[in-house]
Amino acid sequence: RKEVEQDPGPFNVPEGATVAFNCTYSNSASQSFFWYRQDCRKEPKLLMSVYSSGNEDGRFTAQLNRASQYISLLIRDSKLSDSATYLCVVLRGGSYIPTFGRGTSLIVHP
Amino acid sequence: GAVVSQHPSRVICKSGTSVKIECRSLDFQATTMFWYRQFPKQSLMLMATSNEGSKATYEQGVEKDKFLINHASLTLSTLTVTSAHPEDSSFYICSASDRELYGYTFGSGTRLTVV
Repeated sequence: RKEVEQDPGPFNVPEGATVAFNCTYSNSASQSFFWYRQDCRKEPKLLMSVYSSGNEDGRFTAQLNRASQYISLLIRDSKLSDSATYLCVVLRGGSYIPTFGRGTSLIVHP
Repeated sequence: GAVVSQHPSRVICKSGTSVKIECRSLDFQATTMFWYRQFPKQSLMLMATSNEGSKATYEQGVEKDKFLINHASLTLSTLTVTSAHPEDSSFYICSASDRELYGYTFGSGTRLTVV
């Protein structure tokens, strides 16, 4: 089983839709989790951190489920500009070394 | 916010030559620098982790003699691809961490094409 797994998609949704992605991780000792956004041929940029209690930033909500070892990202009221690849990042347990999922591609169309 | 400057952004080189990629943290001290490679439609693959003043730790399957990493100061790390071959063509990207910061700051990446 891979350390971090994501459905590559693409998720093709109309503007205004709500879309959710999941990311599973294999190391139960993992403590820190992030969602990054990567636009085509660009570097990844931090979207949001994922806290145990969940985290909401505007239209974006991130959740952590330790029992099932997955994190989720919910995007409400999708915009065209949300089209990108969303990368799940998990820190290896007890370290600062991040492991990236392969990313989930989102395409928001008019 | 934290900025990491990566150069060059794009390089085309002949097979057999060496290419050096630089990453500089502009407004913070990067205690740890990560080097990644990303092939089209693939995830970022960690190549190595370097801490200032010590030897880099390479991931399994990454040749340390081919991908030379130097992290001589808290603001500069370099990756040298030695004797590059067409299969080394990829997007190389660095990421810096200052343990005072939360998250990782990425350079803008270097697209290497070996012909």
